[in-house]
Amino acid sequence: QQKVQQSPESLTVSEGAMASLNCTFSDGTSNNFRWYRQHSAKGLEVLVSIFSDGEKEEGRFTAHLNRANLHVSLHIREPQPSDSAVYLCAVSMPNTGKLTFGDGTVLTVKP
Amino acid sequence: DMKVTQMPRYLIKRMGENVLLECGQDMSHETMYWYRQDPGLGLQLIYISYDVDSNSEGDIPKGYRVSRKKREHFSLILDSAKTNQTSVYFCASIQNTLYFGAGTRLSVL
Repeated sequence: QQKVQQSPESLTVSEGAMASLNCTFSDGTSNNFRWYRQHSAKGLEVLVSIFSDGEKEEGRFTAHLNRANLHVSLHIREPQPSDSAVYLCAVSMPNTGKLTFGDGTVLTVKP
Repeated sequence: DMKVTQMPRYLIKRMGENVLLECGQDMSHETMYWYRQDPGLGLQLIYISYDVDSNSEGDIPKGYRVSRKKREHFSLILDSAKTNQTSVYFCASIQNTLYFGAGTRLSVL
């Protein structure tokens, strides 16, 4: 069964400083990786999807995928207090379409 | 405007009652999901539906069943709800991009 783990559990950064979040997964056949954020038990907002090794940028959000290391990261450039939320990593499997989430990283951005 | 709609948004039920959570999408997506979200446990997959009448158990299907009679609608059913099924339930549909509903907050007393 796929295991998706995120680190750190919580992260506090100052406004404008880069925020980096990590996600590891256990199944090397995983083929699709997404980062979401969630504000206070509301719906999930997709930030960036990445399908191949390397980097994918969407505005201030950049995902890095290294499939050999079973690792995908999210970097937030110039974070703002409104970026304070829970960030979730989601990893999907090619045949079942099963999508497994990590437990999330709570990001707090201080003014 | 592509959308996943969940009804109701809030629901309070007594233990032993039946619960129906409904989800609709207007994008003709084939694949849909039901998740529950609990503090400290993240999002846990309950069921996947690949299309009408083509459903598969997720990681925590016990105590739940689903129904998909039309591609646009995917229902989650709790027969005789239990207090440990108090949670926030999210429905999602996918076609390259994953779209989530706003969630249903269910309290089972």
